[in-house]
Amino acid sequence: GEDVEQSLFLSVREGDSSVINCTYTDSSSTYLYWYKQEPGAGLQLLTYIFSNMDMKQDQRLTVLLNKKDKHLSLRIADTQTGDSAIYFCALLRVADKLIFGTGTRLQVFP
Amino acid sequence: DTEVTQTPKHLVMGMTNKKSLKCEQHMGHRAMYWYKQKAKKPPELMFVYSYEKLSINESVPSRFSPECPNSSLLNLHLHALQPEDSALYLCASSQKAGEGYEQYFGPGTRLTVT
Repeated sequence: GEDVEQSLFLSVREGDSSVINCTYTDSSSTYLYWYKQEPGAGLQLLTYIFSNMDMKQDQRLTVLLNKKDKHLSLRIADTQTGDSAIYFCALLRVADKLIFGTGTRLQVFP
Repeated sequence: DTEVTQTPKHLVMGMTNKKSLKCEQHMGHRAMYWYKQKAKKPPELMFVYSYEKLSINESVPSRFSPECPNSSLLNLHLHALQPEDSALYLCASSQKAGEGYEQYFGPGTRLTVT
């Protein structure tokens, strides 16, 4: 099966930038997503990128894709306490199957 | 409106009970999904319905029985569950199945099997 790995935990100060990383083994996905999950809640779609793009910016969010290194990242500018949550990358595989990364818990402190 | 609703929010059931989880969307989406998420783990796909027909079953045990009675509604019927089935059950929908259609998730039903 495919491995999609993320670091477990990230702690940042309010106002700083956060960078959440995701590495994967199978490069055939054409769509790559970032989801946010707050405690006890469902998943909120944040943004996505097509595999033929290197970068996508959406307000405070910047997604970078390095296909050669099979590395995806999400940068959150001016991180706020409301950004504290678990962040999942997800890759769309054939037959409409989303494969999720292991998740990164982001903690923002004042 | 990108809302997917799920009921109930919480469910506690015994191993001999029969219960159902319900998911609803009114976005005109024609693909709907069930995921299972264990604590501190990522969601795992269980079933996909496309145009009210089951298109993917990820080798889920038969004690989980999905049903899509119409394009807005998705049910998951539960029978003779095991304690290890305790998890957050997430429903999602997308405009269509396939590449390029974002999946929108509901808040989930937290299931505890005693």
